[in-house]
Amino acid sequence: GAVVSQHPSRVICKSGTSVKIECRSLDFQATTMFWYRQFPKKSLMLMATSNEGSKATYEQGVEKDKFLINHASLTLSTLTVTSAHPEDSSFYICSASQRSGQQGETQYFGPGTRLLVL
Amino acid sequence: DQQVKQNSPSLSVQEGRISILNCDYTNSMFDYFLWYKKYPAEGPTFLISISSIKDKNEDGRFTVFLNKSAKHLSLHIVPSQPGDSAVYFCAASAQQGTYKYIFGTGTRLKVLA
Repeated sequence: GAVVSQHPSRVICKSGTSVKIECRSLDFQATTMFWYRQFPKKSLMLMATSNEGSKATYEQGVEKDKFLINHASLTLSTLTVTSAHPEDSSFYICSASQRSGQQGETQYFGPGTRLLVL
Repeated sequence: DQQVKQNSPSLSVQEGRISILNCDYTNSMFDYFLWYKKYPAEGPTFLISISSIKDKNEDGRFTVFLNKSAKHLSLHIVPSQPGDSAVYFCAASAQQGTYKYIFGTGTRLKVLA
């Protein structure tokens, strides 16, 4: 159980275009979803936290107009990289949590999306 | 400011021996800690976790130890297997219910057959 999928797994786009990445929890309802970014040989950096039906909470330094997050249902969150530029090239990973109220609930991660902006 | 640190970027261990991965943290408010395993181009996979009310948690070949006074945790894998070769991240969170994880920089473990 606790499977999270991401689509697409890899995307190459031209500079200036927008790219949408989907994150789905396949066998559980995810009240909370998280979006991370990983640079080569670096840690996972939390970009934002989204709760179903409400606005995402962005971490300091992350442009909310640049990285649009929508959490429209309990099984789907989307990250849209608007007007992508080469510096946005990275590995984007989502995670989901059931948030049943128990201490220290585990986040389940998707397989990640490799974005390359030319 | 790196609140969670993994000072060893890589570690090589012989198959069958013990692997010990270390993690240090600076924020005394952290009360929940986790270890994740990650293969290249894949998302992290949850391994084991520990609450700050405990100092040890064991799950099969994996044991996590927590030393709150030293702000240090470690993951022991015994016996190590070639399939354990991956990057291991420790993560920490503060306050029940916030679910916000701070990740370390990772340690690449290579288990030699």
